Amino acid sequence: QQQVKQSPQSLIVQKGGISIINCAYENTAFDYFPWYQQFPGKGPALLIAIRPDVSEKKEGRFTISFNKSAKQFSLHIMDSQPGDSATYFCAASPSGYSTLTFGKGTMLLVSP
Amino acid sequence: EAQVTQNPRYLITVTGKKLTVTCSQNMNHEYMSWYRQDPGLGLRQIYYSMNVEVTDKGDVPEGYKVSRKEKRNFPLILESPSPNQTSLYFCASRETGTKKPYEQYFGPGTRLTVT
Repeated sequence: QQQVKQSPQSLIVQKGGISIINCAYENTAFDYFPWYQQFPGKGPALLIAIRPDVSEKKEGRFTISFNKSAKQFSLHIMDSQPGDSATYFCAASPSGYSTLTFGKGTMLLVSP
Repeated sequence: EAQVTQNPRYLITVTGKKLTVTCSQNMNHEYMSWYRQDPGLGLRQIYYSMNVEVTDKGDVPEGYKVSRKEKRNFPLILESPSPNQTSLYFCASRETGTKKPYEQYFGPGTRLTVT
């Protein structure tokens, strides 16, 4: 049973464009929604995260939009750069942060 | 340098031969966890530990054991590895009780092949 569904599996965006990755969850006990970025040969690293009491969080070119009623959240990368090419994972955690459930990942390629 | 280290980074073994993948962190984190990453499946949590001597199962614990005798170390044990445990394994740690209790720091990964 996949608790966090992520789409698309892969994405190609032109340099300067907007990359959008979507996630949906089912478990209403989830209370924290991070996005992780992973470059080839490296471990994932936290990119940005949101709690369900806000609908949007922005950090530089990265924005999370959160829709609690629809149980969906998305990552927007503005002005995408070739250096953003990586695999992105959404995730969800219940309060207390004991477990972390990941989506299946989106491989992003930003073409020059 | 604050980091999570894993050893070995690469391992090829045969079915049934017990192995241990070590994980160590130098950030004095209370929480540690193991994940496996498989193509098309993302990362799945195997076990986690909220503190010394406290461990709990994640989503895919079958075939794995862990122990947490010291705060800095969290070894992953495969007592009788099978080919379906061929995967990329990540150890992670995080603080608790701070502004960012949720940020997990991941190690560089251990690529395990079981033949």
